[in-house]
Amino acid sequence: SQKIEQNSEALNIQEGKTATLTCNYTNYSPAYLQWYRQDPGRGPVFLLLIRENEKEKRKERLKVTFDTTLKQSLFHITASQPADSATYLCALTGANNLFFGTGTRLTVIP
Amino acid sequence: DAGITQSPRHKVTETGTPVTLRCHQTENHRYMYWYRQDPGHGLRLIHYSYGVKDTDKGEVSDGYSVSRSKTEDFLLTLESATSSQTSVYFCAISESISGTSGYEQYFGPGTRLTVT
Repeated sequence: SQKIEQNSEALNIQEGKTATLTCNYTNYSPAYLQWYRQDPGRGPVFLLLIRENEKEKRKERLKVTFDTTLKQSLFHITASQPADSATYLCALTGANNLFFGTGTRLTVIP
Repeated sequence: DAGITQSPRHKVTETGTPVTLRCHQTENHRYMYWYRQDPGHGLRLIHYSYGVKDTDKGEVSDGYSVSRSKTEDFLLTLESATSSQTSVYFCAISESISGTSGYEQYFGPGTRLTVT
């Protein structure tokens, strides 16, 4: 069965620095990979989608890379702010649905 | 939350009782999903629907059933609740599953269910 690992449960970073979150997967070859943000007590919110033939995708301060050879995606938040503190989930496409990782809880320290 | 509501938002029930959770959307999206989220497991798909009266099982469907009689409503039923079904349940919608625009999922606010 497919396995999705996000590098760590929690990541603390100083405000203004770049946060880098990792998503690794095995036993799978997804055509698309998505990143979501989840705040406590709320549902996940879609951030970015990247296709297997795209190496990199950007949206404002966010950047996602997708390396199908390494079976890895990196999610970067540049110039991080305390408001970026949240749990970030990666999700891989299945035949008819998404498979989610357990998430990385990011805390940006002022 | 992208025009998605879930009811109830919180529920406490006893083991063995039936429970129905409701998801309502105003986006007219074709696809609807029910997930459960538990510590250490992340979001896991229970059932999904690809149209009115068209549903299919997800990764953790045992003990759950669903129905979709209208585009806007997707019901999740626990026929006989067990303590292992204590969880936070999320409904989600999407326009597409084929990778064209609209593939992303939009989630409701969640329902916290406690089975005692």
